Amino acid sequence: AQKITQTQPGMFVQEKEAVTLDCTYDTSDPSYGLFWYKQPSSGEMIFLIYQGSYDQQNATEGRYSLNFQKARKSANLVISASQLGDSAMYFCAIKRNSGYSTLTFGKGTMLLVSP
Amino acid sequence: SQTIHQWPATLVQPVGSPLSLECTVEGTSNPNLYWYRQAAGRGLQLLFYSVGIGQISSEVPQNLSASRPQDRQFILSSKKLLLSDSGFYLCAWSVDGPTFRRETQYFGPGTRLLVL
Repeated sequence: AQKITQTQPGMFVQEKEAVTLDCTYDTSDPSYGLFWYKQPSSGEMIFLIYQGSYDQQNATEGRYSLNFQKARKSANLVISASQLGDSAMYFCAIKRNSGYSTLTFGKGTMLLVSP
Repeated sequence: SQTIHQWPATLVQPVGSPLSLECTVEGTSNPNLYWYRQAAGRGLQLLFYSVGIGQISSEVPQNLSASRPQDRQFILSSKKLLLSDSGFYLCAWSVDGPTFRRETQYFGPGTRLLVL
């Protein structure tokens, strides 16, 4: 079975600062994918960034980057230069190497960006 | 480009009434489709997934059911709603391989259901 742990129920950051959202995972599969989603107050889940277990480099997408430490089984999301619009829930998820595309989600971290 | 629609956006229903939530996807063929439920302040729980027309797999036993009458249509139903069915229902789609990145799930806007 797979498991995602997000230990930070809430995080606060000031505008223009960087913030790191923690995610640790547990899987016995040798091949897996890690995903981060953003859920603003409107409710829609927005895909942010992906990291594959065999990717040599950490993923980056604009202001989002993933600090992937495979030996520690962590995949922390780093948001640089925070903006007010970054205030939202953030979910980490893992996809195992199986016949269909299923995701296991963590419980999420609420990020609040202050002016 | 692909888009995913859900309706209604918000629904208030009495206990014991039926339910039908609809999800449609545009711009892709033979997608995998998913129904998730999110209780207030909680993570996502996968309810059903479908890899093709008429093919439905249930992850959690409950009084809900799902159907896929067309390739890009996914319906979540109930004959009699319970109070515990209240929540935020999200539909998602994905396509198969060859990489995990290619299999990213994309979500619709969701339906907020309140059962009174």
